[in-house]
Amino acid sequence: NAGVTQTPKFRVLKTGQSMTLLCAQDMNHEYMYWYRQDPGMGLRLIHYSVGEGTTAKGEVPDGYNVSRLKKQNFLLGLESAAPSQTSVYFCASSRITSGSYEQYFGPGTRLTVT
Amino acid sequence: RKEVEQDPGPFNVPEGATVAFNCTYSNSASQSFFWYRQDCRKEPKLLMSVYSSGNEDGRFTAQLNRASQYISLLIRDSKLSDSATYLCVVNLPPGGYNKLIFGAGTRLAVHP
Repeated sequence: NAGVTQTPKFRVLKTGQSMTLLCAQDMNHEYMYWYRQDPGMGLRLIHYSVGEGTTAKGEVPDGYNVSRLKKQNFLLGLESAAPSQTSVYFCASSRITSGSYEQYFGPGTRLTVT
Repeated sequence: RKEVEQDPGPFNVPEGATVAFNCTYSNSASQSFFWYRQDCRKEPKLLMSVYSSGNEDGRFTAQLNRASQYISLLIRDSKLSDSATYLCVVNLPPGGYNKLIFGAGTRLAVHP
């Protein structure tokens, strides 16, 4: 099992450019999440999905969009990148089982917006 | 006030030392508690869950005080490989999607 994988690992964008981050999991998890991590702050939830075809906003959704067309994939889009979106982005997934709250994380994508 | 607060450290300790990290959370309705470990430039990984009665996993002991909304992690006989950032994590109801709130982390550096 590869677990959770993310593509790309690194990216540099210019302000105003767009890009899509891809997350894939092979654990058949229902729930998937996108977080960003900035120095001195905890991981902050951007968007999440409780199943194929469903998405919802998290704590910091502005400037991002997501899609979950297939159960195993969760895409994060930046339509017009801004320097404030420079961050490390982590995707995670978890089971639907009540009481099982462990989230499994991908290796992260380091994004710099200049 | 942050929902989960931790001392950022760093804690610099020699091998073999005992070190304790503390964490406070603001929502009294929180139901589940965890410690995650994050190595430099890597993803977070679950270290251990924290149970009401306290629990131990080898050299690691976790404690929960619901009345004070306080969680702790004790590491005994520190190893060089324990050097990492330790994240205090709290589950918030109603959730519906396993909502986790992450602290900013406490950095531990174990030296020879």
